[in-house]
Amino acid sequence: NAGVTQTPKFQVLKTGQSMTLQCAQDMNHNSMYWYRQDPGMGLRLIYYSASEGTTDKGEVPNGYNVSRLNKREFSLRLESAAPSQTSVYFCASSETNSPINYGYTFGSGTRLTVV
Amino acid sequence: AQKVTQAQTEISVVEKEDVTLDCVYETRDTTYYLFWYKQPPSGELVFLIRRNSFDEQNEISGRYSWNFQKSTSSFNFTITASQVVDSAVYFCALSNDYKLSFGAGTTVTVRA
Repeated sequence: NAGVTQTPKFQVLKTGQSMTLQCAQDMNHNSMYWYRQDPGMGLRLIYYSASEGTTDKGEVPNGYNVSRLNKREFSLRLESAAPSQTSVYFCASSETNSPINYGYTFGSGTRLTVV
Repeated sequence: AQKVTQAQTEISVVEKEDVTLDCVYETRDTTYYLFWYKQPPSGELVFLIRRNSFDEQNEISGRYSWNFQKSTSSFNFTITASQVVDSAVYFCALSNDYKLSFGAGTTVTVRA
């Protein structure tokens, strides 16, 4: 099925460990995003990539790095995980040809716990 | 800067009641898009509607309806004759470029 695929679905890390969340889309979308969801705060943008070869900080980028590996893939790396990074992470993609926004497709999420 | 406010944190209704979710947004741009998403207990985000800033027509889709009023910067969502399957968190969101900004969400619980 076409869409956004995130791996892994669940992960438990110890404080200080590193890991990379993977995201791939097969819809040939230009733009990709990483969000985190915390109770009572909605989804907050961590980083985004408007097009292949570009990345920009979102609302809450501290403690994260990203790589737009190619048009399909956008990874999120936690270099030294902290308990405050316990969250559900969503990857999304969109085909945006400003000013037209065709909407966003979200992955199914990664539930990360840092102990 | 853009901001979305969903003032209602939780709403609880009995099945068949109507429920209206409020959404107020802030943006300086004249061209923008508004969205509603549903997040059921399973956790995925389900797209419900996309509306651009130049289209103020209200929309109805089955039991769902949306009221967009630019004059009050609101994009409210009504579920008519609610059902237990409507129990979920509902998010309003705004985009004026690539980025999508979400409200904090409203948890709707429909009791049988």
